[in-house]
Amino acid sequence: KNEVEQSPQNLTAQEGEFITINCSYSVGISALHWLQQHPGGGIVSLFMLSSGKKKHGRLIATINIQEKHSSLHITASHPRDSAVYICAVLDSNYQLIWGAGTKLIIKP
Amino acid sequence: EAQVTQNPRYLITVTGKKLTVTCSQNMNHEYMSWYRQDPGLGLRQIYYSMNVEVTDKGDVPEGYKVSRKEKRNFPLILESPSPNQTSLYFCASRLAGGITGELFFGEGSRLTVL
Repeated sequence: KNEVEQSPQNLTAQEGEFITINCSYSVGISALHWLQQHPGGGIVSLFMLSSGKKKHGRLIATINIQEKHSSLHITASHPRDSAVYICAVLDSNYQLIWGAGTKLIIKP
Repeated sequence: EAQVTQNPRYLITVTGKKLTVTCSQNMNHEYMSWYRQDPGLGLRQIYYSMNVEVTDKGDVPEGYKVSRKEKRNFPLILESPSPNQTSLYFCASRLAGGITGELFFGEGSRLTVL
């Protein structure tokens, strides 16, 4: 069993829909990262969370430490949001453990 | 501008021909790391460095070497490349220690070994 699991693996939605991507982990963590990888390959950091909730534009990330679960939400989704979204947790040794990613396609 | 720079971005080489992928960051980050990304496998860590002259193996270090002689540079060396090292490689950096901040990634280096 992977220590960091993301769901769904693939998600296709229509423009404007509210999107939720989930990340569950089984290890103790110091922090959790959400990152975005566009089809061109570049990886960009979106959020780093250790508790609660963060918002940046149409993106919202939440984390529940007790339940070992985080969600990434996208409001009013747009085709330019199409990308792979990756969850990574910083374990107690300050090493990153990576999820496999969620491929999101937003259709116009 | 804060950035991590990798070179080359694309490389086709042949089995056994030594190559180096360079990585440089301008943010004075202590921590640097190399990953490879293969279809269906996500990001896997090759080597990481917590500071100058401090390097350690990640999950898939076989066939790779690294060095950290200066804080800004962390080259990845393939002494004798093999076709199973065909992959997309990323260098990343961040502040080290404790709950750290944002991760910064290079743009990736796509390597093909024939």
